[in-house]
Amino acid sequence: EVQLVESGGGLVKPGGSLRLSCVASGLTFSSYSMTWVRQAPGKGLEWVSSISSSSDYIYYADSVKGRFTISRDNTKSSLYLQMDSLRAEDTAVYYCANSVIRGPFDCWGQGTLVAVSS
Amino acid sequence: DIQMTQSPSTLSASVGDRVTITCRASQSISSWLAWYQQKPGKAPKLLIYKASSLESGVPSRFSGSGSGTEFTLTISSLQPDDFATYYCQQYNTYWTFGQGTKVDIK
Repeated sequence: EVQLVESGGGLVKPGGSLRLSCVASGLTFSSYSMTWVRQAPGKGLEWVSSISSSSDYIYYADSVKGRFTISRDNTKSSLYLQMDSLRAEDTAVYYCANSVIRGPFDCWGQGTLVAVSS
Repeated sequence: DIQMTQSPSTLSASVGDRVTITCRASQSISSWLAWYQQKPGKAPKLLIYKASSLESGVPSRFSGSGSGTEFTLTISSLQPDDFATYYCQQYNTYWTFGQGTKVDIK
């Protein structure tokens, strides 16, 4: 059974930084692209960033480009999201998900809440 | 950017009803469309990919159709477990979600 477990969320002040992690099990992590998707309270889903299996291809939504950095460590079956210059509008539950390259998102973690507030 | 528009935003239905949700893309996405189901406090779950392919383990009462810019998700006979919010997603160019359709009890 595929399991994706996010961590690293919390309360941070505007302009601050946070690093999210996602640990995968039950799949050959190095064979899959990985993605972060977020959901603001009471709102819909927003794609944030994706990284290919060997980190060759990296994509960002315009809303986070230049502020967020996605990375992965295949030796640790782990995905990361470094979030800098955080804004109130970044407040959301952040999910990680896996996919085949440029595909839909097969499995999702349970999410981690990021709250940006002074 | 490709925009995805779902209708309706909310749908009230009864157990046993046939339910149809529509998703429109702002430009052609061929068949690169997925549907997800999300229940409150839970992560989304993939139901359908490539417009009409049923994900493993998903009940056959769910079906998808369409290509180009117009797509539908149909639930042939609504079950109690199906009351949830449904999202379409294009993956032709990056990834974009529709705004969601909440299916609630009539």
